Amino acid sequence: EPEVTQTPSHQVTQMGQEVILRCVPISNHLYFYWYRQILGQKVEFLVSFYNNEISEKSEIFDDQFSVERPDGSNFTLKIRSTKLEDSAMYFCASNLGQGNTEAFFGQGTRLTVV
Amino acid sequence: DAKTTQPPSMDCAEGRAANLPCNHSTISGNEYVYWYRQIHSQGPQYIIHGLKNNETNEMASLIITEDRKSSTLILPHATLRDTAVYYCIVSEYSGGYQKVTFGIGTKLQVIP
Repeated sequence: EPEVTQTPSHQVTQMGQEVILRCVPISNHLYFYWYRQILGQKVEFLVSFYNNEISEKSEIFDDQFSVERPDGSNFTLKIRSTKLEDSAMYFCASNLGQGNTEAFFGQGTRLTVV
Repeated sequence: DAKTTQPPSMDCAEGRAANLPCNHSTISGNEYVYWYRQIHSQGPQYIIHGLKNNETNEMASLIITEDRKSSTLILPHATLRDTAVYYCIVSEYSGGYQKVTFGIGTKLQVIP
């Protein structure tokens, strides 16, 4: 069964460093998303991406965040200068679109900022 | 801006049906009801969705009341692996776009 894959599964970084979280969505899907979940809290929407541009972003997704689909298969989330409060699980998701709306989520990347 | 209300937790005996309720009294005519679950910090997993008719798939059944103000997710024979947080979400159909707005959900504990 096709699945969304995320790498790495766990990333530790120092405060102020840049991190790139990587995702490979399901190959024929058209819509891509990033979510995050701070430990013990709700899963929160960050950003959606369609047709090579951001279609919606939340208040969390400030200038420190960016997304890219560099090569038609990968979908990346970059955090420019990490803060302690960026520590969370980050989930990538995709859905086919065209009437198929169920979203498929990856297993997440646990980001720890020290 | 939660559009749904779910009990925070429920227990279910292994092998029995788990019935998870959800209230969505302000649902509008073009909004669907979706269910997802999250097993212990894994990525959320889609279960089922419906508009007004009852739906069934290999994972679960979804019963939506006639007035669409509430629904019930039924796991017919719960197993220990069904222990998870279950999220009921209402979402407008928008041509395939599916931003999922998660609430607190119901923590289902399946007991041996």
